[in-house]
Amino acid sequence: ELKVEQNPLFLSMQEGKNYTIYCNYSTTSDRLYWYRQDPGKSLESLFVLLSNGAVKQEGRLMASLDTKARLSTLHITAAVHDLSATYFCAVDLSYQKVTFGTGTKLQVIP
Amino acid sequence: EAGVAQSPRYKIIEKRQSVAFWCNPISGHATLYWYQQILGQGPKLLIQFQNNGVVDDSQLPKDRFSAERLKGVDSTLKIQPAKLEDSAVYLCASSLDPVALAKNIQYFGAGTRLSVL
Repeated sequence: ELKVEQNPLFLSMQEGKNYTIYCNYSTTSDRLYWYRQDPGKSLESLFVLLSNGAVKQEGRLMASLDTKARLSTLHITAAVHDLSATYFCAVDLSYQKVTFGTGTKLQVIP
Repeated sequence: EAGVAQSPRYKIIEKRQSVAFWCNPISGHATLYWYQQILGQGPKLLIQFQNNGVVDDSQLPKDRFSAERLKGVDSTLKIQPAKLEDSAVYLCASSLDPVALAKNIQYFGAGTRLSVL
């Protein structure tokens, strides 16, 4: 059974600081997705990583995938309050089914 | 384009009552998913449809939960009878054609927040 773990589960950081969220998974896969969820809202797709070494960037967020280490990272650069949300990684084993991680709740403090 | 529509947004029921949720996916999306998201956790897949056929329902508590997707478009998820531990947000998502596209980007609805008292 695929296990997807994220750490940290909670992250409180000051504006302007950098930090990284980690997503580890237990079964080989070369497809991974990152989603964002604002409080009381639904999930929104952020990044799609489809191969080993894939790197995607959007604004202050950058995601990468290392399939050999079964690890994806979501790096936050110079955090701003608008980035406060819960971030989920999701691992895709068979195109049709994804398994979501535990989520990382990010709070950016002014 | 219109997103994934879900109703109702909120539902409060007593244990042992029944409840139904409705989902209308994005037009043309063949694959539809129902997830259960308990507070503080990631979404857990309950059932997945490809058109009107079930692809995966391995985590659906079939003694109390049922789902259908007639005509391969709209879907309903039913709980009967509800238990306290069913309190959660029920999310519906759809995707275009994961196998053909070789990727599975899912588009989520706003969810139905269920409280079982």
